[in-house]
Amino acid sequence: DAKTTQPPSMDCAEGRAANLPCNHSTISGNEYVYWYRQIHSQGPQYIIHGLKNNETNEMASLIITEDRKSSTLILPHATLRDTAVYYCIAMGSNDYKLSFGAGTTVTVRA
Amino acid sequence: NAGVTQTPKFQVLKTGQSMTLQCAQDMNHNSMYWYRQDPGMGLRLIYYSASEGTTDKGEVPNGYNVSRLNKREFSLRLESAAPSQTSVYFCASTSGQGPRGNEKLFFGSGTQLSVL
Repeated sequence: DAKTTQPPSMDCAEGRAANLPCNHSTISGNEYVYWYRQIHSQGPQYIIHGLKNNETNEMASLIITEDRKSSTLILPHATLRDTAVYYCIAMGSNDYKLSFGAGTTVTVRA
Repeated sequence: NAGVTQTPKFQVLKTGQSMTLQCAQDMNHNSMYWYRQDPGMGLRLIYYSASEGTTDKGEVPNGYNVSRLNKREFSLRLESAAPSQTSVYFCASTSGQGPRGNEKLFFGSGTQLSVL
């Protein structure tokens, strides 16, 4: 699976959009970009994923660059409950040995 | 629909003791995984089972054994616990529907293990 790089931490004001970047310059054509988040010490929770096109669901939007070397997770209106560690991973057709890096710790401030 | 259920939630062991962490999923998923998470770090894969009847080593398998008891259950055993195995353990499963890369991981709530 392709290695991903994320900033270790970022702050966001409550009610504002949070834009979380992820670099995956070695991603291959069959690898999807996934985002998960982990609140406190709970199990990670799926947010969104995509292959080439931008995606949106009730939780977030995912913007993938045309060359697929980077992506941005957008939380449109951050709330205090969005404070969590966010993980970006690339997952492909033969990926069973999947591990998560340190992710980005997002702190939403009132 | 419970999803992925792990037991126990908390456990304290003495060095050298053995124990088994249990994991069960009720989503008819094919693949199951065991991860460990040390403080301030991401999740590292211990073992995985791509399908019923198969198991394979992940990134950090030393000191652990696993059993895929049936399609629902995947257990992790510590034969002789060591302080270095103090961690939070997560079990996960994936649906196995469609292309391998188009699957979501579903996680349990974790087991916090302390080895003294």
